[in-house]
Amino acid sequence: NAGVTQTPKFQVLKTGQSMTLQCAQDMNHNSMYWYRQDPGMGLRLIYYSASEGTTDKGEVPNGYNVSRLNKREFSLRLESAAPSQTSVYFCASSEVDGRKEQFFGPGTRLTVL
Amino acid sequence: GENVEQHPSTLSVQEGDSAVIKCTYSDSASNYFPWYKQELGKRPQLIIDIRSNVGEKKDQRIAVTLNKTAKHFSLHITETQPEDSAVYFCAASAAGGYQKVTFGTGTKLQVIP
Repeated sequence: NAGVTQTPKFQVLKTGQSMTLQCAQDMNHNSMYWYRQDPGMGLRLIYYSASEGTTDKGEVPNGYNVSRLNKREFSLRLESAAPSQTSVYFCASSEVDGRKEQFFGPGTRLTVL
Repeated sequence: GENVEQHPSTLSVQEGDSAVIKCTYSDSASNYFPWYKQELGKRPQLIIDIRSNVGEKKDQRIAVTLNKTAKHFSLHITETQPEDSAVYFCAASAAGGYQKVTFGTGTKLQVIP
């Protein structure tokens, strides 16, 4: 039982490059989330997926897109990376919604030069 | 939307002393208040949570209190140990529709041996 997994763990991009962050969970959870973590700003929600086939914007969606590929997988795409997107990205999942514990992945440290 | 404020941003205590972290929330409809602990370089993990029908909850050395009237809740850690050193995040989840979680900005706790 791996829980929530993310790839890659580290990534360096140049401004304007694109990339996709992958996330998968094996707990049969309905909801999945993408957060970014910046110093002094806590965890800010980028996008979430309440259930398979649905996605919605969170607090800071600009510059990102997501795909809920199936119940297990939820990917985050940066189409044209900017230095402001340098951050640590966490994927999370929960059984239902915010009324239940969220389980986080190990994080992806992204640097955009 | 929900706004969660967390204080202090940093806290240093001597080993064996108590630590208190305080959070306020804005949405009176919020009904679920989890606390997450994030050790250096690791993922956030739930340590305790409280729902709005309860005023206090304890789990060994940690406790959380909730004051719905004042819209604030607090994390109390007694007999602190070096392994309690971490960043702690409070969060609130508002009732109604799909419940998302809003996180506070975090408190870095340092326990000095």
